[in-house]
Amino acid sequence: EADIYQTPRYLVIGTGKKITLECSQTMGHDKMYWYQQDPGMELHLIHYSYGVNSTEKGDLSSESTVSRIRTEHFPLTLESARPSHTSQYLCASPFRGQGTNEKLFFGSGTQLSVL
Amino acid sequence: AQSVTQLGSHVSVSEGALVLLRCNYSSSVPPYLFWYVQYPNQGLQLLLKYTSAATLVKGINGFEAEFKKSETSFHLTKPSAHMSDAAEYFCAVRSGSYKLIFGSGTRLLVRP
Repeated sequence: EADIYQTPRYLVIGTGKKITLECSQTMGHDKMYWYQQDPGMELHLIHYSYGVNSTEKGDLSSESTVSRIRTEHFPLTLESARPSHTSQYLCASPFRGQGTNEKLFFGSGTQLSVL
Repeated sequence: AQSVTQLGSHVSVSEGALVLLRCNYSSSVPPYLFWYVQYPNQGLQLLLKYTSAATLVKGINGFEAEFKKSETSFHLTKPSAHMSDAAEYFCAVRSGSYKLIFGSGTRLLVRP
């Protein structure tokens, strides 16, 4: 089993503030992902990383940035939050078992509200 | 390109009734398909997955899904709904190196 930790669970901030959403995993996985989920909408991949110093933008354009300085840590940053950034952000990491048995584990998410 | 479509943003059933949540996919390659569940205030959990082995896949909590290539469907079913099944359910298809493309989700409501 993989443990994915996200903090904070909820965040309410004012427009223009810089924020960082934390995500960490304790299993030494190389791959980590950030998904964004608006209410009633599908999850969209916004960032992914295949290892230290590897980051790529996902399918949905996002004004956020990510970094991967350590294997276990994959923080997401918004330099200047806006109301349009209000959404749920989910961090994930796959665990590969035997053969093709690979599972994607998700953190509990961060619900961001920008006023 | 891969995509999934979930029919019905809300499904309401009585406790003990059959649960049927619909998912249709589009994929140019043999798909890997998944169902995830999100209980209130919790993260996503994997219910079950199809990886080109048996077409009928059994998951946790009594759920199962059948892969039908001719219908490009992967509907989720459970014979008898429990109150604890109330949650949001997401169908997903794998795209590339374990990136998942999710449907818009179906909220399951279970009436007493």
